[in-house]
Amino acid sequence: GQQLNQSPQSMFIQEGEDVSMNCTSSSIFNTWLWYKQEPGEGPVLLIALYKAGELTSNGRLTAQFGITRKDSFLNISASIPSDVGIYFCAGRTQGGSEKLVFGKGTKLTVNP
Amino acid sequence: NAGVTQTPKFQVLKTGQSMTLQCAQDMNHNSMYWYRQDPGMGLRLIYYSASEGTTDKGEVPNGYNVSRLNKREFSLRLESAAPSQTSVYFCASSGLYEQYFGPGTRLTVT
Repeated sequence: GQQLNQSPQSMFIQEGEDVSMNCTSSSIFNTWLWYKQEPGEGPVLLIALYKAGELTSNGRLTAQFGITRKDSFLNISASIPSDVGIYFCAGRTQGGSEKLVFGKGTKLTVNP
Repeated sequence: NAGVTQTPKFQVLKTGQSMTLQCAQDMNHNSMYWYRQDPGMGLRLIYYSASEGTTDKGEVPNGYNVSRLNKREFSLRLESAAPSQTSVYFCASSGLYEQYFGPGTRLTVT
């Protein structure tokens, strides 16, 4: 089946640092979604991307829909302790499938 | 506007017992989903419903049944629980592009 390769698997950073993570696939996607999941909670949608090349921000978070439509990137600027959690990418393939393909997540730890 | 709600939040079952996990959404979405999340495995799709009256198997459907009761509600049933079904279960609903998740049900089968 389709897979999304999300990297890195985990990150340990100091408060104030910037963070970058990405997802890649061999398939073409027409929607990219980025989620954050905190311990004991469900995933929360952070950013949705709909067009190749699109760059969208949500506060200190910025995500991009790759030009090839096979990848997406999430950046967090000036990290703070509450950024801790697992960040997931998800993609919807061409053809309007109702199903999403998920990455395995990037676990972010921020040291104060 | 509650989004996606799930009940119960926690449940402990003995092997062989049955139970139904309930899910409801108030966003007028056509599509609804059930996932399980296990350490190191990510989110895996159990069943989904693209519209009221239809259901389809996902990646890991064995041991589960679902019912799309109406547009708002989508339930997941374990007929005879097994320890391998110990997991966190998430319901989600989707409009055209975006998918929203509920808070999860933490199920332990002993």
